[in-house]
Amino acid sequence: GAVVSQHPSWVICKSGTSVKIECRSLDFQATTMFWYRQFPKQSLMLMATSNEGSKATYEQGVEKDKFLINHASLTLSTLTVTSAHPEDSSFYICSARSGGVEDTQYFGPGTRLTVL
Amino acid sequence: GESVGLHLPTLSVQEGDNSIINCAYSNSASDYFIWYKQESGKGPQFIIDIRSNMDKRQGQRVTVLLNKTVKHLSLQIAATQPGDSAVYFCAEVHAGNNRKLIWGLGTSLAVNP
Repeated sequence: GAVVSQHPSWVICKSGTSVKIECRSLDFQATTMFWYRQFPKQSLMLMATSNEGSKATYEQGVEKDKFLINHASLTLSTLTVTSAHPEDSSFYICSARSGGVEDTQYFGPGTRLTVL
Repeated sequence: GESVGLHLPTLSVQEGDNSIINCAYSNSASDYFIWYKQESGKGPQFIIDIRSNMDKRQGQRVTVLLNKTVKHLSLQIAATQPGDSAVYFCAEVHAGNNRKLIWGLGTSLAVNP
């Protein structure tokens, strides 16, 4: 149980284009989903918290107009990197939490974004 | 120019030995702790968790110990196998920041055959 998928697993795009990454909880309903970014040899950096049906809450320093998050259902959240630039190249990981008293976050496999 | 990279602490063990990975957490109000395993190019994988009303919890080949007095968490892996090679992160949770995960720096475990 507690499986989270991400799509695509990797993407290469040209500078200036937008890229959408999907995060799905496959066997549970996720009231909250999180989006992280990870640089090599570092721990995960939280970008935003997404609750189903409401606007995402962004961490300090993360541009909400640059990283658009939509949590349209209890099993799907999307992250769109708009007008991507080479400095946006990174490993993006989502996680999902079922809510209530459940604290455990279950993570997707990650998406490697390379912006040329 | 020259770039400076971060170097994760590394623990190197022989296959079959027991491994102990340590973590110092930051907030005495944290009441939930999780260990994650992350293999190269993959997302973190849940290993084991513990709440602050316990000081020890065992899973399959893994044990987590919690010492609230010194804010220390450890992960013990019995009979370490090559497949255990990964980066291990501890994370803490408390009510003060909406129960988001606060990550430790990570430890790279290398298992020598």
